[in-house]
Amino acid sequence: GENVEQHPSTLSVQEGDSAVIKCTYSDSASNYFPWYKQELGKGPQLIIDIRSNVGEKKDQRIAVTLNKTAKHFSLHITETQPEDSAVYFCAAIGGNQFYFGTGTSLTVIP
Amino acid sequence: NAGVTQTPKFRVLKTGQSMTLLCAQDMNHEYMYWYRQDPGMGLRLIHYSVGEGTTAKGEVPDGYNVSRLKKQNFLLGLESAAPSQTSVYFCASSYWEEVTQYFGPGTRLLVL
Repeated sequence: GENVEQHPSTLSVQEGDSAVIKCTYSDSASNYFPWYKQELGKGPQLIIDIRSNVGEKKDQRIAVTLNKTAKHFSLHITETQPEDSAVYFCAAIGGNQFYFGTGTSLTVIP
Repeated sequence: NAGVTQTPKFRVLKTGQSMTLLCAQDMNHEYMYWYRQDPGMGLRLIHYSVGEGTTAKGEVPDGYNVSRLKKQNFLLGLESAAPSQTSVYFCASSYWEEVTQYFGPGTRLLVL
């Protein structure tokens, strides 16, 4: 949606390297920032989320950071594996507004 | 639990025809959503519902109507299909606004 910008649109990394995807949003009412992973032919699935009162959250190889002042948040995947290859979407939600980014196609090269 | 299911999985329509997409969830969620996914555009919200009997417009509502007569079902209608409505449609549900949305497997719609 126009309120969420996501970069890059495509990303290729070598297996074991890190991947970073960045999103910016414009709606100050946004309080909830989930990240979804979509595999080919399937619906998106939540992988991690963060709320506006938290600056960073980590779950094993996945971490998300949020800078609410600057209105940007990022997804970090460390030690990437071939099964991490998918399309990733960020979203900014709040005030009954639900905006998703345009997606990042991540390819992990074995 | 089946989670979120969508019917049909794939459909071909001619311009001007009508159809209804059905979404069902068995998680007792209050919120339900209809999105469309187009290449390079991400997911865009068409309509959503915050509870049984309620509906609200999303980012791209034109050409679509919805109904939520039962809490577990959310219907998306196309009264007169246009080629611009060729897309993959996803339904989702959640307990409330700022929590995980659970997505269905999608419906591929081709309008000729």
